[in-house]
Amino acid sequence: RKEVEQDPGPFNVPEGATVAFNCTYSNSASQSFFWYRQDCRKEPKLLMSVYSSGNEDGRFTAQLNRASQYISLLIRDSKLSDSATYLCVVATDSWGKLQFGAGTQVVVTP
Amino acid sequence: NAGVTQTPKFQVLKTGQSMTLQCAQDMNHNSMYWYRQDPGMGLRLIYYSASEGTTDKGEVPNGYNVSRLNKREFSLRLESAAPSQTSVYFCASSEVGGPTEAFFGQGTRLTVV
Repeated sequence: RKEVEQDPGPFNVPEGATVAFNCTYSNSASQSFFWYRQDCRKEPKLLMSVYSSGNEDGRFTAQLNRASQYISLLIRDSKLSDSATYLCVVATDSWGKLQFGAGTQVVVTP
Repeated sequence: NAGVTQTPKFQVLKTGQSMTLQCAQDMNHNSMYWYRQDPGMGLRLIYYSASEGTTDKGEVPNGYNVSRLNKREFSLRLESAAPSQTSVYFCASSEVGGPTEAFFGQGTRLTVV
């Protein structure tokens, strides 16, 4: 079983709609959680960290459910520029070694 | 501010050839990493270096060696390339002291024929 699992998608989303997807992790001792964004053939970049109480950054909302060991990302009012692959990332060591999911592809259509 | 710089960006090798991927960061980060990314697999950690002078194996270290030359530079060497090492390689760095944002280089697209 992979340590971090994601639905690969693609999630086809009309412009202006809301899309949400989850990521599950297997290590209950995981300490920190992130969503990264990766555009086609480019390097991953941090989208947002995920905090226990949940957090928002503009149109993006991240949630953490430690009991069920998943995190979620919700994108409101989707823009064409939101089309990308979203990588779920979990840190299992105190010094920050990161485990990446395979990514969820989101395609926003006009 | 260049961030994380990887060279080369593209490379084609013949089976059995060797090469070194170079990575340098100018953010004074202590931790550096090498990942490979294959379709449907996500990024998998090859080796990491928590600080200058230390290196440790990640999830998929076989066939690779690394050198943390100094605080800025972390190189990845393929001694005898195999077609299974065809992949996109990313170098990354982050601050030490707890999970923090990792900054990535632009990647090296390696094909072994």
